[in-house]
Amino acid sequence: SQTIHQWPATLVQPVGSPLSLECTVEGTSNPNLYWYRQAAGRGLQLLFYSVGIGQISSEVPQNLSASRPQDRQFILSSKKLLLSDSGFYLCAWSIGSGKNIQYFGAGTRLSVL
Amino acid sequence: AQSVSQHNHHVILSEAASLELGCNYSYGGTVNLFWYVQYPGQHLQLLLKYFSGDPLVKGIKGFEAEFIKSKFSFNLRKPSVQWSDTAEYFCAVSTGGTGKLIFGQGTTLQVKP
Repeated sequence: SQTIHQWPATLVQPVGSPLSLECTVEGTSNPNLYWYRQAAGRGLQLLFYSVGIGQISSEVPQNLSASRPQDRQFILSSKKLLLSDSGFYLCAWSIGSGKNIQYFGAGTRLSVL
Repeated sequence: AQSVSQHNHHVILSEAASLELGCNYSYGGTVNLFWYVQYPGQHLQLLLKYFSGDPLVKGIKGFEAEFIKSKFSFNLRKPSVQWSDTAEYFCAVSTGGTGKLIFGQGTTLQVKP
């Protein structure tokens, strides 16, 4: 069966420090991968999605970047964190296009202080 | 741009009360519709989905939703809620081949025993 791993679960970082959040999927090949952010009191906002290795689409301008170095690995990064980067980050995967269900990881709660 | 609006941000009900959570989207073309739920301490998971066919769809745990195309709505219902339904509920829409989801702001449901 397919599983998705996301780590770390919780992270506290100072303003200006770098960030690297990792997401890996097991049990499937060539998944679509997604990074979402949920800010306090707001819904989930799609940040990035990827349909294949090295293929990244950014949905909103921001201080973050994403990379997909391997088929089932999706990394969310920042060179210098801002206070506004605080939030709950979720990774998700799906198979196929259009009518596909997304499966979510447990999420990372990031606090930038 | 497409958007999803959930009318109720915080709902408090007593057990056995009926539930209806509103969801409206803005998009004139073909849509795929979803309700996701996040129970306390758990992953975001799919509650139910609509792709085509019967506009009344049934999901897990006695939930159902009705797609009304003319109203651009996909409201979630349950005739009798339980304490274990306490969770955050998200309505989501996908419109393209990438399966990108656009989420509503979420509704926190608190069921009092």
